[in-house]
Amino acid sequence: EAQVTQNPRYLITVTGKKLTVTCSQNMNHEYMSWYRQDPGLGLRQIYYSMNVEVTDKGDVPEGYKVSRKEKRNFPLILESPSPNQTSLYFCASSFGLRGRVNYEQFFGPGTRLTVL
Amino acid sequence: GENVEQHPSTLSVQEGDSAVIKCTYSDSASNYFPWYKQELGKGPQLIIDIRSNVGEKKDQRIAVTLNKTAKHFSLHITETQPEDSAVYFCAASSPGSARQLTFGSGTQLTVLP
Repeated sequence: EAQVTQNPRYLITVTGKKLTVTCSQNMNHEYMSWYRQDPGLGLRQIYYSMNVEVTDKGDVPEGYKVSRKEKRNFPLILESPSPNQTSLYFCASSFGLRGRVNYEQFFGPGTRLTVL
Repeated sequence: GENVEQHPSTLSVQEGDSAVIKCTYSDSASNYFPWYKQELGKGPQLIIDIRSNVGEKKDQRIAVTLNKTAKHFSLHITETQPEDSAVYFCAASSPGSARQLTFGSGTQLTVLP
């Protein structure tokens, strides 16, 4: 089954304790992205990756890191989480920008993070 | 960069009635406008999209209209059913934009039985 998986689905942690949220897709997509969803603010992009070893900042990158060592995986790293990073996080993937036509993004099920 | 505004933030309709959600965008170069549906506890899922070379697209009970001059597009759901209850997001994308999509703030649609 074609899908985007995220782990963990729920996480409660404390300020300053490094954490990683994993994301994996099995559709051979070049493009992957992380979003955070907050009430009234919709989905805001954190980081995106056009392909392996190619990453760039989205609209709200502060406090986050990413890496893209393999095409299928795109982990989100919070080196020192703070309470304002409490949010619902989504990973997404798509075929990217072939022919300058944007393609459907497929979203993972989400990770609900609480930072105390 | 692109800015997308979405209205209303909440919408309640009686089962069988129609629902309309509206979005405006700022970048006149944007040419791809998808709509995503997010059910409780799940990630957003594409339900319909439209590209700037057409003014309307329909898929059964769902339709999207695009007015490029006014820079707004709308989602229309007819004969609403309880399973249509969800959060709906509009989005816009500029040609070749590496960031792909800018999302609206979402609309919580509730279909009352």
